[in-house]
Amino acid sequence: DTEVTQTPKHLVMGMTNKKSLKCEQHMGHRAMYWYKQKAKKPPELMFVYSYEKLSINESVPSRFSPECPNSSLLNLHLHALQPEDSALYLCASSQVGPSRDTEAFFGQGTRLTVV
Amino acid sequence: GENVEQHPSTLSVQEGDSAVIKCTYSDSASNYFPWYKQELGKRPQLIIDIRSNVGEKKDQRIAVTLNKTAKHFSLHITETQPEDSAVYFCAAHFMDSNYQLIWGAGTKLIIKP
Repeated sequence: DTEVTQTPKHLVMGMTNKKSLKCEQHMGHRAMYWYKQKAKKPPELMFVYSYEKLSINESVPSRFSPECPNSSLLNLHLHALQPEDSALYLCASSQVGPSRDTEAFFGQGTRLTVV
Repeated sequence: GENVEQHPSTLSVQEGDSAVIKCTYSDSASNYFPWYKQELGKRPQLIIDIRSNVGEKKDQRIAVTLNKTAKHFSLHITETQPEDSAVYFCAAHFMDSNYQLIWGAGTKLIIKP
C-alpha cells in the first residue's frame, strides 16, 4: 500500500467554523507533513512530524493546529480561518532515515474554501 | 538562504519533440533532487529523482542529469505526448534543513498536438 489518504476531498467553511482535515498512511513512514498549495505555486511546508513529535513549524498562524495521534494518522485542526487561507492542503509522508533523502508520498489533497 | 531556481516558467513543445526543464540550487551540500509532476487539480507525484552520487538517471522517456560542480540539474522528456502536459516541480534536499525540500517555482509544460 503506497497510498496517503486525505479526507475530506473538498471543504467549504465559514470564518467562524471549526473543522479538521485528516490524513492516514500505512506505509510505516515515521515522518508526516502538512503543505499548503495556492494555485500555480509550489507546495509550502507548514508542519513536520517525526516519530509523532512536531519537529518543524514553519511560522504557521495558530488558527492552524496540527495533531499526530499515532504513527499512521495526522490531523490539521482549523479555526477562525480567513478567506486567504483558501488553498489545496496536502499531506505527505516519508521514511525517516540517516540521510533523510527518501521519497515523499503525497495525498490527493483537501481543496479548502473559506467563505 | 537555500534556494532553487527553475526555468522556464512555461514551455510549449510540439507533440513528439523533446522538453528540457532546468533547475539550479544554492547549497553545494544538497544530496537529493526529486522531480514532481502535478496535473490540474491533482496531487504532486514523483516521476524521477537523483541522488548526489549519480550524474544521470533514466526511466523510459524521462531522464534527469545532475552537474554538482555547476549546481544544476535538468529534466529531459523525449517523444512528448499529450498526457505529459502538467506542471513540473524540481526540488532539492538541503543537508541543514532536516525534512525540508526546497521547491522550484514550477514549469507549466504544454504539449501541442
